[in-house]
Amino acid sequence: AQTVTQSQPEMSVQEAETVTLSCTYDTSESNYYLFWYKQPPSRQMILVIRQEAYKQQNATENRFSVNFQKAAKSFSLKISDSQLGDTAMYFCAFWGGAGGTSYGKLTFGQGTILTVHP
Amino acid sequence: DGGITQSPKYLFRKEGQNVTLSCEQNLNHDAMYWYRQDPGQGLRLIYYSQIVNDFQKGDIAEGYSVSREKKESFPLTVTSAQKNPTAFYLCASSPVPRTATGEAFFGQGTRLTVV
Repeated sequence: AQTVTQSQPEMSVQEAETVTLSCTYDTSESNYYLFWYKQPPSRQMILVIRQEAYKQQNATENRFSVNFQKAAKSFSLKISDSQLGDTAMYFCAFWGGAGGTSYGKLTFGQGTILTVHP
Repeated sequence: DGGITQSPKYLFRKEGQNVTLSCEQNLNHDAMYWYRQDPGQGLRLIYYSQIVNDFQKGDIAEGYSVSREKKESFPLTVTSAQKNPTAFYLCASSPVPRTATGEAFFGQGTRLTVV
């Protein structure tokens, strides 16, 4: 079974600066997807970014980008030009793709609370 | 508007009573999930279903039960066997697994308090 680990319970950053959130995962699957979700104080889960395991190119979405190291099973999120609205809990997640034993299972890490200071 | 609806938002129950949390989606998604979130912690998978009339246990299924009689609905019952049921519960859905990328859409959550 896959596991997702986020080793940073809390992080803080000054507005306009850059911060990186770490995530590692363990799986024997070859077909999977990785995600970062954001949960603001409203508790509504919002997808931030997605990475397909078969793609070597790192995904980017505006100020958000990932560093996907497949061999190391590492999937970190970089937030550039941090904004006050980025304050939230961030979750790394793993989804098992078709053909694997964890097919269709969406597993989350423990989360990292990010606080952006003015 | 398409979406996923959880009800109620807040739920109070006495210890020893079973309680059912509702989750309905009109996104035509095949897969649905239930997660539990404790204060300051991550989302732990309780049950998931990829198709009607089929579901799988997640990582913390003990003390919970589900049914999937309709594509749109995936209710979660918290039974008296669940030793610490007070938590925030999130329901999610995602498109047909074989062609999808796993992106999930979430409801607003139900805060269950057992007294």
